[in-house]
Amino acid sequence: AQSVAQPEDQVNVAEGNPLTVKCTYSVSGNPYLFWYVQYPNRGLQFLLKYITGDNLVKGSYGFEAEFNKSQTSFHLKKPSALVSDSALYFCAVSANNDYKLSFGAGTTVTVRA
Amino acid sequence: DVKVTQSSRYLVKRTGEKVFLECVQDMDHENMFWYRQDPGLGLRLIYFSYDVKMKEKGDIPEGYSVSREKKERFSLILESASTNQTSMYLCASKLRDVPLWEQYFGPGTRLTVT
Repeated sequence: AQSVAQPEDQVNVAEGNPLTVKCTYSVSGNPYLFWYVQYPNRGLQFLLKYITGDNLVKGSYGFEAEFNKSQTSFHLKKPSALVSDSALYFCAVSANNDYKLSFGAGTTVTVRA
Repeated sequence: DVKVTQSSRYLVKRTGEKVFLECVQDMDHENMFWYRQDPGLGLRLIYFSYDVKMKEKGDIPEGYSVSREKKERFSLILESASTNQTSMYLCASKLRDVPLWEQYFGPGTRLTVT
């Protein structure tokens, strides 16, 4: 079984401040971890992935995420948030890249000007 | 650019109606997926299809069926719509031999069953 937890329904930050969106996972075997973003009235867009290698992965739009195996976490970060980063963010996991992606409940990020 | 389109952005149906949600992709993708998205639950996989006329159940197939008669089109069918099927439905597709995370998602259909 595989699952993802996003402990925060909402994250509110001021523009220019650091942004962190939390994610923890549970999976048997090697985790493949992903972040997606959904802007209003748009489909999901892929942001970044961790498959293997460096624990800090960089993705689109200035986002990065840190894989922590001991804490089974994969938190999404951005050093300086923009108002345009306001969206719904999903963390997802797949065990050994099989057919199934398991998504978290999502975190709504609001960046105020 | 890959394009995944869904026939309706918003749909309102009555309880007991048969509902068809259509998804079309224009990049010759073999694999197609249907998810539903609910607040607090994230995305859950309903059905997926490896190729034409092939289908597999996902995590929550009850109350749904699918049809894949042509490669570009994957239909989700609610045989008898119920209010608990009010949700946002997302379609996705990808090439057979690319990683799972390389799915392209459509914009979604928000279905309300009254």
